[in-house]
Amino acid sequence: GQQVMQIPQYQHVQEGEDFTTYCNSSTTLSNIQWYKQRPGGHPVFLIQLVKSGEVKKQKRLTFQFGEAKKNSSLHITATQTTDVGTYFCAAWGTYKYIFGTGTRLKVLA
Amino acid sequence: DGGITQSPKYLFRKEGQNVTLSCEQNLNHDAMYWYRQDPGQGLRLIYYSQIVNDFQKGDIAEGYSVSREKKESFPLTVTSAQKNPTAFYLCASSGGETGHFGDGTRLSIL
Repeated sequence: GQQVMQIPQYQHVQEGEDFTTYCNSSTTLSNIQWYKQRPGGHPVFLIQLVKSGEVKKQKRLTFQFGEAKKNSSLHITATQTTDVGTYFCAAWGTYKYIFGTGTRLKVLA
Repeated sequence: DGGITQSPKYLFRKEGQNVTLSCEQNLNHDAMYWYRQDPGQGLRLIYYSQIVNDFQKGDIAEGYSVSREKKESFPLTVTSAQKNPTAFYLCASSGGETGHFGDGTRLSIL
């Protein structure tokens, strides 16, 4: 079945450094969503990308959808301790969302 | 405010017992989902429902059952056939543009 791979699995950064997580699919995606899950919490919707090559920004977060609609990235500029958590991408499969394995981000002060 | 309510927050199951996790949404979403999350792991789809009175198995449906008698409700039953039920269970709904999650239920074995 359809799979969504996410890399890296873990990332430790110093506060102020940048961070990027990548989401890759073997098939063309109709859209992709990004979620953030704080430790002990539930996933919270961040954004949805639909168009080929689409780039969206939310303050320090930049989301990109690949031209072939098979990959996506989330980039955080100048990380802060509040960015700690696990970031998931979710691809729309046949009537269901398929989640990537997530990237756990730790920010060292 | 609209949202998804999961209950209970914590649940303990005895050997051989079936337990039911509640999920209610007032977002008027057609689609609802149940995911299981193990410590440090991603989300795995248990069951999903696109419309009332219809649901489909996800990737790890064995040992679980669901019903969708009302649009607002999508309860999940963890049966005694599920030999490793200890996990964090998340219910979600979708209206197409966004996904919304409940706060989750942590299930443990006594």
